[in-house]
Amino acid sequence: DQQVKQNSPSLSVQEGRISILNCDYTNSMFDYFLWYKKYPAEGPTFLISISSIKDKNEDGRFTVFLNKSAKHLSLHIVPSQPGDSAVYFCAAARTQGGSEKLVFGKGTKLTVNP
Amino acid sequence: DTGVSQDPRHKITKRGQNVTFRCDPISEHNRLYWYRQTLGQGPEFLTYFQNEAQLEKSRLLSDRFSAERPKGSFSTLEIQRTEQGDSAMYLCASSLSVQYEQYFGPGTRLTVT
Repeated sequence: DQQVKQNSPSLSVQEGRISILNCDYTNSMFDYFLWYKKYPAEGPTFLISISSIKDKNEDGRFTVFLNKSAKHLSLHIVPSQPGDSAVYFCAAARTQGGSEKLVFGKGTKLTVNP
Repeated sequence: DTGVSQDPRHKITKRGQNVTFRCDPISEHNRLYWYRQTLGQGPEFLTYFQNEAQLEKSRLLSDRFSAERPKGSFSTLEIQRTEQGDSAMYLCASSLSVQYEQYFGPGTRLTVT
């Protein structure tokens, strides 16, 4: 079963606007969440993360929000730039008593149009 | 450069052949992970090392797969008797034990014909 779900395979936004990428998880043991960006023919690049003790983490244009009761997180990119066009993966980890292996969603392809 | 490197970047092999991939992690990272990614999917965990000890293996890792990290530095992933279903991108990642963020290499794309 898919423990981390990204229900939107693709998203298209205009340059300068906000991009919102969503992610849901089912395993309540997950307590650390990460977003990765992936360009074609490259490995995933770490973007931003959040611990379950927080509900928001911000790094420049990127903000991740966590709603534990809904088992939902989102990545906001403001303002969006054409160079942000890539596949974005949400990942979750269980840090207590585990290997911290990452469980990934299937990804959302973001296209930022000039 | 101190990023994660993987070799080769591409490998084409015939069904039934053995292949071996290498991963060099970021030098001070003591944790090393292997993942596999197929088209339209996110990376899936295969196995994990802390220093030279292999601490966890996914059930995806059949007995045709073996991974080593002999001196706690680089790692190798070997696939014996390759099958067409093994065609995928094999990703290596590394991290420090005090952090949860993993840093990925560029991957090795395997095509089994």
